[in-house]
Amino acid sequence: SQQGEEDPQALSIQEGENATMNCSYKTSINNLQWYRQNSGRGLVHLILIRSNEREKHSGRLRVTLDTSKKSSSLLITASRAADTASYFCAPWRSNMRFGAGTRLTVKP
Amino acid sequence: GAGVSQSPRYKVAKRGQDVALRCDPISGHVSLFWYQQALGQGPEFLTYFQNEAQLDKSGLPSDRFFAERPEGSVSTLKIQRTQQEDSAVYLCASATEENIQYFGAGTRLSVL
Repeated sequence: SQQGEEDPQALSIQEGENATMNCSYKTSINNLQWYRQNSGRGLVHLILIRSNEREKHSGRLRVTLDTSKKSSSLLITASRAADTASYFCAPWRSNMRFGAGTRLTVKP
Repeated sequence: GAGVSQSPRYKVAKRGQDVALRCDPISGHVSLFWYQQALGQGPEFLTYFQNEAQLDKSGLPSDRFFAERPEGSVSTLKIQRTQQEDSAVYLCASATEENIQYFGAGTRLSVL
């Protein structure tokens, strides 16, 4: 099955700093997605990168994908306290599995 | 509707009781997923529908768990003879053709 594994498990930074989270997976994929989850809420889709893409931007988010290394990274620039949440990567081919996520805390 | 709707938001059940959790997906979304999420963990896949067909139920933890989507829209996750270990948040998501998933707020199940 497709399962992403996020690293680090937890990350604490100051407001204004950049946050980088990494994801590794094991098999070939069609696309890879990143989701955010605020405490007590459902997951929210952030960005999708296709297997033939290497980098994608959306606002303060930058995602990279290296299919040869089976890894992806999510960069959040100029972080805000409101970015505090858990972040999950989700590799997709015929199914999707979520890892344990990265718990990001942005201190004001 | 505007988003994925799940009901009830909270359910307290006595051990041994049967429960039914409902999911109303976004209109037109063919795919629907159920997940179970324990506190501090990521969502664990339970089952997946494409229209009314249940294509993958490999994540259902036991035969006490049953899901259906008879008309390819609303889905129900049923748990029979609930146990304390079933206590969790149950998330439903419907998805676009590219499998971008839209999640409901979840149903928090507490089994006493």
